[in-house]
Amino acid sequence: QLQLQESGPGLVKPSETLSLTCTVSGGSISSGSYSWGWIRQPPGKGLEWIGSMFYSGTTYYNPSLKSRVTMSVDTSKNQFSLKLSSVTAADTAVYYCASGVADFERIDYWGQGTLVTVSS
Amino acid sequence: QSVLTQPPSASGTPGQRVTISCSGSSSNIGSNYVYWYQQLPGTAPKLLIYRNNQRPSGVPDRFSGSKSGTSASLAISGLRSEDEADYYCAAWDDSHVVFGGGTKLTVL
Repeated sequence: QLQLQESGPGLVKPSETLSLTCTVSGGSISSGSYSWGWIRQPPGKGLEWIGSMFYSGTTYYNPSLKSRVTMSVDTSKNQFSLKLSSVTAADTAVYYCASGVADFERIDYWGQGTLVTVSS
Repeated sequence: QSVLTQPPSASGTPGQRVTISCSGSSSNIGSNYVYWYQQLPGTAPKLLIYRNNQRPSGVPDRFSGSKSGTSASLAISGLRSEDEADYYCAAWDDSHVVFGGGTKLTVL
């Protein structure tokens, strides 16, 4: 049973880069069985998929965010991370790290979510 | 505007059967699997249905999914008060995942 925990600043200034880390426990991030990804949810709104990847390197991003998103893996710490550049107030949201089996659309495990506010 | 279209709200009384629809296109639902998530207030979403109609271990058989053409449905039978939540459909679409806008289910 995987457990995921997000960490990172809760407040980011406009035009800066949002950086979040997800720590994985209960399983290895280098396992080829799981996908690793990020989903966000603006306050009071629906879910938006940011991107997902397999440890093998296969990575997909939301086309609407692709130019600003970078995802990476740190196997030594069993963590994966998200960087979103040039943020604006529209990027204010609860950010979830997530993992699933086989399909990117299948998300079996979710972090508790972390609210990131973009404001000066 | 979400790529997948869901009704913003649905309601039912305890014991009733309710369905939530999810409408898409040939590039998403029409050619890929549909997934359903339940989000209780203040919590992370939970996988309810995968690959159109499969339930993960632990999900009651009161929840069922179906797909036809470019539309899908989630059915909840024997409605309970604890089913009051937001429900989201999702599918793959041309190299990325798309979600529906969500349906808020109220148990009257």
